Amino acid sequence: AQRVTQPEKLLSVFKGAPVELKCNYSYSGSPELFWYVQYSRQRLQLLLRHISRESIKGFTADLNKGETSFHLKKPFAQEEDSAMYYCALSTSGTYKYIFGTGTRLKVLA
Amino acid sequence: EAGVTQSPTHLIKTRGQQATLRCSPISGHTSVYWYQQALGLGLQFLLWYDEGEERNRGNFPPRFSGRQFPNYSSELNVNALELEDSALYLCASSLDRGTGNTIYFGEGSWLTVV
Repeated sequence: AQRVTQPEKLLSVFKGAPVELKCNYSYSGSPELFWYVQYSRQRLQLLLRHISRESIKGFTADLNKGETSFHLKKPFAQEEDSAMYYCALSTSGTYKYIFGTGTRLKVLA
Repeated sequence: EAGVTQSPTHLIKTRGQQATLRCSPISGHTSVYWYQQALGLGLQFLLWYDEGEERNRGNFPPRFSGRQFPNYSSELNVNALELEDSALYLCASSLDRGTGNTIYFGEGSWLTVV
């Protein structure tokens, strides 16, 4: 079955420290993976998608098919990065978008 | 361009009643998704509509139902409300059912069952 796992519910880091939000997926086909972010009092919005291979707000994510992972990384965390982050898997066929349970990132001053 | 809009913003219902939530997708989008975001459970997939048809549903009982109208707007109906149905219900839309399309979320409808 298709599944997205985000093992950390809460991740606290100090400003300027590196950040890595973990995401593992289970899917036998060719996955499309996304990171969505929800800032306080804002709607859930796309942060980045693996096929574009771009860096958004300093965040990057690399798809590792061998480890079935799509971890989100940023070398230097900023306070404004504090938010809820969701990893999502898009599949062809049955379930279109499957979300993980989310990781709350808190960047401490 | 208007984003995904949902109504009502908040809804309070009594156990056993029915609730109807509405969603208007981004203009030109044909796919609409419904998710339940209950406290501590992340986003749980409810329903997916595309071109007026239900394409798939998540692991929810039949009292969760919905439909998509010819203008691609959608409504979610929850019958025989239970206390545990209290949650934020998010609607999202995408251009079509192609794999890899970005989905865009509305701000959600808060349903409280008392």
